Amino acid sequence: TQLLEQSPQFLSIQEGENLTVYCNSSSVFSSLQWYRQEPGEGPVLLVTVVTGGEVKKLKRLTFQFGDARKDSSLHITAAQPGDTGLYLCAGGGMKTSYDKVIFGPGTSLSVIP
Amino acid sequence: GAGVSQTPSNKVTEKGKYVELRCDPISGHTALYWYRQSLGQGPEFLIYFQGTGAADDSGLPNDRFFAVRPEGSVSTLKIQRTERGDSAVYLCASSEIGGTEAFFGQGTRLTVV
Repeated sequence: TQLLEQSPQFLSIQEGENLTVYCNSSSVFSSLQWYRQEPGEGPVLLVTVVTGGEVKKLKRLTFQFGDARKDSSLHITAAQPGDTGLYLCAGGGMKTSYDKVIFGPGTSLSVIP
Repeated sequence: GAGVSQTPSNKVTEKGKYVELRCDPISGHTALYWYRQSLGQGPEFLIYFQGTGAADDSGLPNDRFFAVRPEGSVSTLKIQRTERGDSAVYLCASSEIGGTEAFFGQGTRLTVV
């Protein structure tokens, strides 16, 4: 059974600080996605990484896929209150389609003004 | 429609009652997914439709849960004899066939009292 772990579970930081959250598994994933979910809303896709060692940047967010495709990190520079939310990583299977993506438990981020 | 629409947004029901949750996917999306999310957890896969048929229903927890998508568009998740443990947010997502991104609705918060 493929499982994804995320750390830390909760993170509270001041506006302007940097942070990194982690997603780990003992299984290899063909792709890995990061989502942000705000209260009362569904998850919204931020990025998909597919190549081991891949680094993608989305404004102040930097995503990295581990060389062995078992882990990933999300680094946020100069966090803002608008970054507050639940960050979920999700691993895809060996197929390219989305079916049955497995989600981690999430990291709940709170950025204090 | 512009996005995935789920109704109702909130549902409170008594233990033992029957409930139906509706999902209206993005127009043209042939793939549709139901997930369940408990507080502090990531979404948990329930069932996946490709068109009208359930391609994978391995995530349904027991035979009280059933889902249909008779015309390949709107889907209904049906829960019989609800139990307090069924309380959660039920998320629906849709994607293009073979797509690598799924779009989530805002969810239905089910509370069984």
